[in-house]
Formats: sequence, C-alpha cells, structure tokens
Amino acid sequence: DTEVTQTPKHLVMGMTNKKSLKCEQHMGHRAMYWYKQKAKKPPELMFVYSYEKLSINESVPSRFSPECPNSSLLNLHLHALQPEDSALYLCASSRGLAGLNEQFFGPGTRLTVL
Amino acid sequence: SQQGEEDPQALSIQEGENATMNCSYKTSINNLQWYRQNSGRGLVHLILIRSNEREKHSGRLRVTLDTSKKSSSLLITASRAADTASYFCATVLNDYKLSFGAGTTVTVRA
Repeated sequence: DTEVTQTPKHLVMGMTNKKSLKCEQHMGHRAMYWYKQKAKKPPELMFVYSYEKLSINESVPSRFSPECPNSSLLNLHLHALQPEDSALYLCASSRGLAGLNEQFFGPGTRLTVL
Repeated sequence: SQQGEEDPQALSIQEGENATMNCSYKTSINNLQWYRQNSGRGLVHLILIRSNEREKHSGRLRVTLDTSKKSSSLLITASRAADTASYFCATVLNDYKLSFGAGTTVTVRA
C-alpha cells in the first residue's frame, strides 16, 4: 500500500465550528507532514511529525492544532478559523528525513471557511 | 520562505513536443526533488537528484542539476495530454523541511 489517504475530501465550516482533518498511511513511514496550499501557489509547510513527535511548527496560528495518535495517523484539529484559512490542506509522509526521501502526498482536503 | 524559483510560470505545447522548465535556488543543497500536481490534487514525486549527480532519467523525464549555477531543469519528452499539470521543484532547507518553488503550469494541447 503506497497511498496516503485524507478525509474528508471537502469541508465547509463556519468561523465558530470545530472540525478535524484526518490523514492515514500504512507504509511504515515515520515522518508525516501537513501543508497548506492556496490557489496557484506552492504548498507551504505547517507541521512535521517525526516518530510521532512534533518536530517542526512553522509558526502556525493556534487555531490549527495537529495531533499524531499513532505512527499511521495524523489529525489536524480546526477551531475558530478565518475565511483566509480556506485552502487545500495536504498531508504527506516520508520514510525518514525529507532531504533523503521522497514525500508521498494525499489528495488533500479542500477547506472553505465561511 | 520559498527558496526555488521556476521558469517559465506557464508553458503550452502541442502533444508530442518536448517541455523544458527550469528551477533556480539560493542556498547549497543536498538534493533537489521534482513533483507534479494535477489540478487541485495531491503532489506526486517524480525524481530526486543528489548534489553529486548531474543528470538523471526516469521514463520520459530527464532532470539536470548544475550546483555551480544553483539551477536544475526538468525535460519531459514526447508530451501527452496526461502531462498537463503543475510542476514544482523542491529543495531541502533542513532535515525535514522541503521548500517548493512557485511552479510551472504545463498545458499539453491535443
């Protein structure tokens, strides 16, 4: 299985809602990533988990809260988002260090904040 | 911060033609990676080229790396409609962080 899955595919939420994005991989990868991508822009790194521990937080606002319950799962909890947070949220995983290994991306969750 | 810059921003070619896009970066790298993204979907890894390599091939793809010029190129030969996508180069800023270039949007006309 060389796939990263993400749910849901689409999400519409109000600014007062709480929602979660889910990402799963069964390739035994020990690094997992959350990216945010705005239209016609490259992905921007948000968080990196390595061996289930948060390794990198790219100064992301606290209304985004990542969680790595186990080595296969990565969640992104959303609360009190702003309309400018609307974007494609991509999850990725890699066997190890980004510099040495390719990253496998999921199809993304298209988030709209009203 | 974005380390890579890609050129051109957009490219339109006829099916069967070759497509070439370039990536320039600012700092020293261990390797450089190329990814493809079909419209609104996840990225797919194409090729990883290490700093001590000058050229690498994968099917119809050819990647070159010139570390003295801090630049890389991706050539797609005999293009097909399915090659229509955005192509990103990515460099490694530290152990876990990839920095993506702005991307080149390629349209292959039938």
